[in-house]
Amino acid sequence: GAVVSQHPSWVICKSGTSVKIECRSLDFQATTMFWYRQFPKQSLMLMATSNEGSKATYEQGVEKDKFLINHASLTLSTLTVTSAHPEDSSFYICSVTSPLPWTGWVDPYNEQFFGPGTRLTVL
Amino acid sequence: AQTVTQSQPEMSVQEAETVTLSCTYDTSESDYYLFWYKQPPSRQMILVIRQEAYKQQNATENRFSVNFQKAAKSFSLKISDSQLGDAAMYFCAYRSAWCNDMRFGAGTRLTVKP
Repeated sequence: GAVVSQHPSWVICKSGTSVKIECRSLDFQATTMFWYRQFPKQSLMLMATSNEGSKATYEQGVEKDKFLINHASLTLSTLTVTSAHPEDSSFYICSVTSPLPWTGWVDPYNEQFFGPGTRLTVL
Repeated sequence: AQTVTQSQPEMSVQEAETVTLSCTYDTSESDYYLFWYKQPPSRQMILVIRQEAYKQQNATENRFSVNFQKAAKSFSLKISDSQLGDAAMYFCAYRSAWCNDMRFGAGTRLTVKP
């Protein structure tokens, strides 16, 4: 399966600071990446869909000015939590789906490969 | 919008026994895909099994099998010969044939007793 990395794995910051989380697809070019948030003992909630070279698509209720997503290359997407507050403390997970060769089309049956997640703690 | 419901927050099974985790979903679409993911304490999501909605045959992967009832919008996971390593959170997920994103249920925490 695909290898997806996230950096950092854990970050602690003071309230009001901005935090950048990186998601890298290590062994294929990902035109689309997904960002999820998981609160303790809860499910994964899709925050946004990150598309290479274009603006991200945010889910309803997710503030795009607070959660900035940049998908500048086919292997890297970044999520920046701006002016973080304690309620932003959560586990952030990215995922990718490998596109079909030559077409770039993503088969929905394809497995989504998840990164190991980033734990954000805002004091 | 599609919703996925897992009505069992916690389940327990004796080692070597069989357990079934339930999942129901709500959709108006006819083409979609269903998945079961496992999340162990490491938090790394791992695909367990997947099912294409247009296929009537239930998917199986070794000790894992599903009971897919399209009319009832039900997608349960059966784990046979449970092992200690099966202990984890299990998430049922729905994915439209036309969208890339995935919708998850609330999860079921499975405990395996030795």
